[in-house]
Order: sequence, then C-alpha cells, then structure tokens
Amino acid sequence: LAKTTQPISMDSYEGQEVNITCSHNNIATNDYITWYQQFPSQGPRFIIQGYKTKVTNEVASLFIPADRKSSTLSLPRVSLSDTAVYYCLVVGMDSSYKLIFGSGTRLLVRP
Amino acid sequence: EPEVTQTPSHQVTQMGQEVILRCVPISNHLYFYWYRQILGQKVEFLVSFYNNEISEKSEIFDDQFSVERPDGSNFTLKIRSTKLEDSAMYFCASSPSGAGVNEQFFGPGTRLTVL
Repeated sequence: LAKTTQPISMDSYEGQEVNITCSHNNIATNDYITWYQQFPSQGPRFIIQGYKTKVTNEVASLFIPADRKSSTLSLPRVSLSDTAVYYCLVVGMDSSYKLIFGSGTRLLVRP
Repeated sequence: EPEVTQTPSHQVTQMGQEVILRCVPISNHLYFYWYRQILGQKVEFLVSFYNNEISEKSEIFDDQFSVERPDGSNFTLKIRSTKLEDSAMYFCASSPSGAGVNEQFFGPGTRLTVL
C-alpha cells in the first residue's frame, strides 16, 4: 500500500475554505484515495473517496491531479464542528481489506 | 441511519484478566474489523473477518487475541490475558464488502483500561 504524507496540523477560521493536501507518490493503478475524519474519542468516519479528477459530495470535494501522486481534500466554509483529525488513505481494489491510518492532519477551526 | 454499536463503552480490568469486547455490525454487512488506538497514537488494524473466518490479521493480533461471530448479529474481540499495553480504544467496523473501495463504518469504540 502506498505511503501517504500530510501536514501534521492546520489552523483555520469559521467560514473559510480549508484544503488539506496529501502526497502518495507510490500509488498503484488500482488504488483509490479515501479520506476519513475522526473526532476525539470517536471512531473514524468516511468522508469521500476518489480515483481521479474531482469528486464532490455534500461534505467535501476531493481533487486528484492526472498523475495521482497527490490529492487535496477541500472543506468549504468550515465551522467549529469541523475541528477533527483528517486521514488520507490509499486503498486498493485488489489489496487487503485493512485500512492503514497515518498520523492524519489535526484541523483546528477557530471562531 | 444504521450504525455499528459497541459495548461496553468503557471497560476497566486487572492485568492478566480476560476481556470480551462486543460489537453489533450493520445488519447487511459482510465484512467485520477490529482496530485499536492507543491514546495519542494512530488507529491500528488488528483483524478482518469474513464468512466466519479471519481474512487477515496484523502482528498485534497474537495468540492472546481472538474474534468470534457467535450469532447472526454480534462480533466479539477477546483478549485472553490482558497486559498494561493493551490499554487503548478498540473500534469495531463493518463494510458491505471487503474491497477497499467500500467504506468501513466504525463504531463509537470501547475504551479498555488495564490496571
């Protein structure tokens, strides 16, 4: 599974757009990029998943350039409740079932 | 919205004691997982389970650990003889299929404290 690298922490203010970038230089052809969110003392929660270009859902957008060596999670107009740890994971169609979590990005949204 | 549930929310035990952590996965899901997170550290994969057998396990999941699906709804993690270093949050997860592209739904976790 491709190793991922993302910033340890980010600060933002309410109402701003937050972009968290993740690098995954060794991503394989069959790998997808997946993002999870974790609040303190809770289990991770799936946010979004994509293979290439752009994916958008009601929570976030995911931008993946053509070379797929990086991806950017975009959270529009964050609120205080978006303060959490955000994990970028690479998962594959033909890889094992396990999710390999890194250290994630700790996002702090200030009023 | 269906969700994964776990009991108890907090378990305190003495070193050397056996503990059983319980999970009720989402009803139509076929794949089940246990993860753990030591305070301040990463979420770590322990084991995946499908069709009443272990699909994969990590190095952490040694002979002291076992999993079982005793009936159609529960999925349990047993630690036979707990150690201090087993203190962690234990998360159960389930997914409709095992392919990595399907999201895993996590429960709220059981905080295990070993004294």
